[in-house]
Amino acid sequence: KNEVEQSPQNLTAQEGEFITINCSYSVGISALHWLQQHPGGGIVSLFMLSSGKKKHGRLIATINIQEKHSSLHITASHPRDSAVYICAVGFGNEKLTFGTGTRLTIIP
Amino acid sequence: DSGVTQTPKHLITATGQRVTLRCSPRSGDLSVYWYQQSLDQGLQFLIQYYNGEERAKGNILERFSAQQFPDLHSELNLSSLELGDSALYFCASSARLAGVGEQFFGPGTRLTVL
Repeated sequence: KNEVEQSPQNLTAQEGEFITINCSYSVGISALHWLQQHPGGGIVSLFMLSSGKKKHGRLIATINIQEKHSSLHITASHPRDSAVYICAVGFGNEKLTFGTGTRLTIIP
Repeated sequence: DSGVTQTPKHLITATGQRVTLRCSPRSGDLSVYWYQQSLDQGLQFLIQYYNGEERAKGNILERFSAQQFPDLHSELNLSSLELGDSALYFCASSARLAGVGEQFFGPGTRLTVL
């Protein structure tokens, strides 16, 4: 069983919609990462969180340490946001364990 | 552009062969991580080096080995290749040894074993 669970696995939405992707993990972590992988395969680090909330442009990431849960939100979604979003956690070191990813498709 | 470079971008080879993947970290980053992304297993951590020394090991097969050189570039060697080794191989770099630290990913090497 994967120690990192993401939901949903696939998400299709209309341009402009508010998007939420969830990530749950099973044990205490040192940090949680949100990554974006475009169809070409490249991976971009979006956020690294150990507590609270971070915002970058239209992207917001939150983490609740007590509930072992994180969410990635996209406001005013755009077709260029279409990608796979991956949650990854570090358990006391930087050996990351990855979720299976959420494939997001934004339709114009 | 993350500042991490990987070569080659694509590699096609036959079963039983040996290949070497190369990674140059961001300037100043001492930690290098190798990851494998296959269709059936997703992203998996293989191995971490920090300033030339192995620091953490993940699901790395015995047929695979890695090293980090004095100039901090790293190489991942894959030998006795099997069809199942076909995957995207990423390296990432970080300024930190451990603890909270953002990792910057290279563009990946797509390995196809025929």
